[in-house]
Amino acid sequence: SQQGEEDPQALSIQEGENATMNCSYKTSINNLQWYRQNSGRGLVHLILIRSNEREKHSGRLRVTLDTSKKSSSLLITASRAADTASYFCALGSTLGRLYFGRGTQLTVWP
Amino acid sequence: DGGITQSPKYLFRKEGQNVTLSCEQNLNHDAMYWYRQDPGQGLRLIYYSQIVNDFQKGDIAEGYSVSREKKESFPLTVTSAQKNPTAFYLCASSAPGTGGIQPQHFGDGTRLSIL
Repeated sequence: SQQGEEDPQALSIQEGENATMNCSYKTSINNLQWYRQNSGRGLVHLILIRSNEREKHSGRLRVTLDTSKKSSSLLITASRAADTASYFCALGSTLGRLYFGRGTQLTVWP
Repeated sequence: DGGITQSPKYLFRKEGQNVTLSCEQNLNHDAMYWYRQDPGQGLRLIYYSQIVNDFQKGDIAEGYSVSREKKESFPLTVTSAQKNPTAFYLCASSAPGTGGIQPQHFGDGTRLSIL
């Protein structure tokens, strides 16, 4: 399979806590991207990490990539209720397309 | 503001009917994509186009058709051959770039249901 697999499928935390989501994959990738989807809306791009990078930060987001283990993680620090959404990893190939996983549903309780 | 506009937001199809979903972008992106999303599932690629007048089948193209006559437009037709069309359809676009596929910008989707 060329898609990523997110873990856990669902995550429920309190405001202020950190949220960590993982993505594992089996194929070679060009880059790996994380997206967020609020209920009933389109996806929003969060961060892209290239295959030769190990870590990237953007605001409260931290993404790591371990190509030897074929895995990536997305950390959201100091979560807020507004972070409640589904989060997807997407594998970037050289074929001009992305392969999306099934997502992690994050719920942040006030 | 630049972005992607999908219309309509909700669409109902009768048995044996073809319906067309609209996707327009003003981001000047070369590449455009159509995805299908079923409840609790990820996105599955239907068709994509990397340049005007050219498009490729994705993973689930059967029962769907597309055209790319203009850079800003990539309409999707759900034909009567698609027996289970009820889903959320998302259109996306991306700019060309080196280092692999660039971030995709998404519209807000069209929800298609069977009458």
